[in-house]
Amino acid sequence: LAKTTQPISMDSYEGQEVNITCSHNNIATNDYITWYQQFPSQGPRFIIQGYKTKVTNEVASLFIPADRKSSTLSLPRVSLSDTAVYYCLVVGGNFNKFYFGSGTKLNVKP
Amino acid sequence: NAGVMQNPRHLVRRRGQEARLRCSPMKGHSHVYWYRQLPEEGLKFMVYLQKENIIDESGMPKERFSAEFPKEGPSILRIQQVVRGDSAAYFCASSSDGLGNQPQHFGDGTRLSIL
Repeated sequence: LAKTTQPISMDSYEGQEVNITCSHNNIATNDYITWYQQFPSQGPRFIIQGYKTKVTNEVASLFIPADRKSSTLSLPRVSLSDTAVYYCLVVGGNFNKFYFGSGTKLNVKP
Repeated sequence: NAGVMQNPRHLVRRRGQEARLRCSPMKGHSHVYWYRQLPEEGLKFMVYLQKENIIDESGMPKERFSAEFPKEGPSILRIQQVVRGDSAAYFCASSSDGLGNQPQHFGDGTRLSIL
């Protein structure tokens, strides 16, 4: 299991871009990087997944450098409703045991 | 499409009783995962099932805990003779196949409280 390290918490203001970086030094060749969002009293919600370079969808972008030992989740123009815990996971191609660390608690202020 | 459905949302049991948590996966999904979450912590993997088979139960305590996913009906996580330390949120997730690069879709959990 490739463990991940991410900041415990971050503060931001509405309208700003937020970048959350995750370290995963022991990532294996077959591993993917996946991000989930969790609100209080709800289950985690899939945000984005990538293997290398850059992936973008309607809610976020994921930047992965060539060595893949880290990744950055970018949330453009956050709003108050983006206040949540964000989890970075490294998951293997044949490996379905997702390891959730403590996540990053993002607090968006008005 | 209905997402992953878990019930009950809240369950209160006294020490020594049994708790049964149910999970209906998303339509078309045959892979189910159970996780446990304590306050202010991340989710901890418990067990992975694929219709009628337990694939990986390495995260589930060997005593008092069991899980099943029958051919018909929801997946059940069963905790016998509950103790205070079993109080937690239990989440179920499902996926279309068992590969790690397939997103798991989560339900909103069952919050178990032990009196």
